[in-house]
Amino acid sequence: SAVISQKPSRDICQRGTSLTIQCQVDSQVTMMFWYRQQPGQSLTLIATANQGSEATYESGFVIDKFPISRPNLTFSTLTVSNMSPEDSSIYLCSVEEGTEQFFGPGTRLTVL
Amino acid sequence: AQSVTQPDIHITVSEGASLELRCNYSYGATPYLFWYVQSPGQGLQLLLKYFSGDTLVQGIKGFEAEFKRSQSSFNLRKPSVHWSDAAEYFCAVGAGSARQLTFGSGTQLTVLP
Repeated sequence: SAVISQKPSRDICQRGTSLTIQCQVDSQVTMMFWYRQQPGQSLTLIATANQGSEATYESGFVIDKFPISRPNLTFSTLTVSNMSPEDSSIYLCSVEEGTEQFFGPGTRLTVL
Repeated sequence: AQSVTQPDIHITVSEGASLELRCNYSYGATPYLFWYVQSPGQGLQLLLKYFSGDTLVQGIKGFEAEFKRSQSSFNLRKPSVHWSDAAEYFCAVGAGSARQLTFGSGTQLTVLP
């Protein structure tokens, strides 16, 4: 199974700033996904990132707020832009491998 | 669009007791169904999955789940719970694949000594 790492594991940021979260996979994968888990809530899919194409965003999420890069088959970044306290969440990346989806450990973001 | 309901927000069981966590889904065709576990400070770990074949699936850590199409359910079971099973459990459905999963709201499991 794919092994996924994320950086940073946690961060505390000021309102109005931006944070870029990195996701690294130990194997080449076609599709990577970014999820948000707000406090006490379930996971919500933000976007799907394919290498070599623009990310596909789910309803309620826009590229200006959550720009995503996917420069190669093992790496992706998610930026949370112009942050507000409502962006305080755990952000997780995941990859599809066969009939399963594997998740990274998550990035716990707190916005003051 | 698919959806998932986990009707139990919080369940408490004694160590050694049996466990059943409920999951109901809504999807027009045969879904891909998953159970994940999330321990405090950890990412999500896949317990088991179903997408075809035998409707009773075995997973890791002694968990099993049964797909019942007539009831649109995929309940998770374990015959004897261990203290280390205390965590949050999420049921998820994929629309014909493991992509773009829709998650339920989760069930928090507390295990009493």
